[in-house]
Amino acid sequence: DAKTTQPTSMDCAEGRAANLPCNHSTISGNEYVYWYRQIHSQGPQYIIHGLKNNETNEMASLIITEDRKSSTLILPHATLRDTAVYYCIVFGAAGNKLTFGGGTRVLVKP
Amino acid sequence: DTAVSQTPKYLVTQMGNDKSIKCEQNLGHDTMYWYKQDSKKFLKIMFSYNNKELIINETVPNRFSPKSPDKAHLNLHINSLELGDSAVYFCASSPRQGYTEAFFGQGTRLTVV
Repeated sequence: DAKTTQPTSMDCAEGRAANLPCNHSTISGNEYVYWYRQIHSQGPQYIIHGLKNNETNEMASLIITEDRKSSTLILPHATLRDTAVYYCIVFGAAGNKLTFGGGTRVLVKP
Repeated sequence: DTAVSQTPKYLVTQMGNDKSIKCEQNLGHDTMYWYKQDSKKFLKIMFSYNNKELIINETVPNRFSPKSPDKAHLNLHINSLELGDSAVYFCASSPRQGYTEAFFGQGTRLTVV
């Protein structure tokens, strides 16, 4: 599975959109981009995933560049409860395990 | 109802002891996993089972032995505990192998003293 690069940490103001970048320049054609988050002292939680089209669900939006080498997770209106570590993971259809990197530690401030 | 439940939530034990962590999922999923999160917060997969069969063993010491009595349960037994085994252990499940919308339990914090 392709490697991902994320900023170590970022701050966001409550009520504003949080844009979390992820680089995955070695992604191959059949690999998906997945996002998970881990709130302190809890297990990881699935957020969203996509292949090449932009995706939106009740939690977030995922924007994937046309060349698929990078993506952005958007939390439209960040709340204090969105403070967590966010993981961007690239996973191939033939794979059988999620590999977590260091993630981005997001702190939502009042 | 909790989808993926682990017991116990906290476990403190002495070096050399043998302990087990239990995991149950009520989602009807075929695939279950054990992950370890160490003090540096990296999450690493240890084992994966699909329909009670072992499909992933990530070079985990033999002291760690998973057991899946049925596809709703995946227990982790650890022999001769060492200080370095101290970590948070997460159980997870997904509908099938290769399907990565996984559901995680709340974790078991193991402290070896």
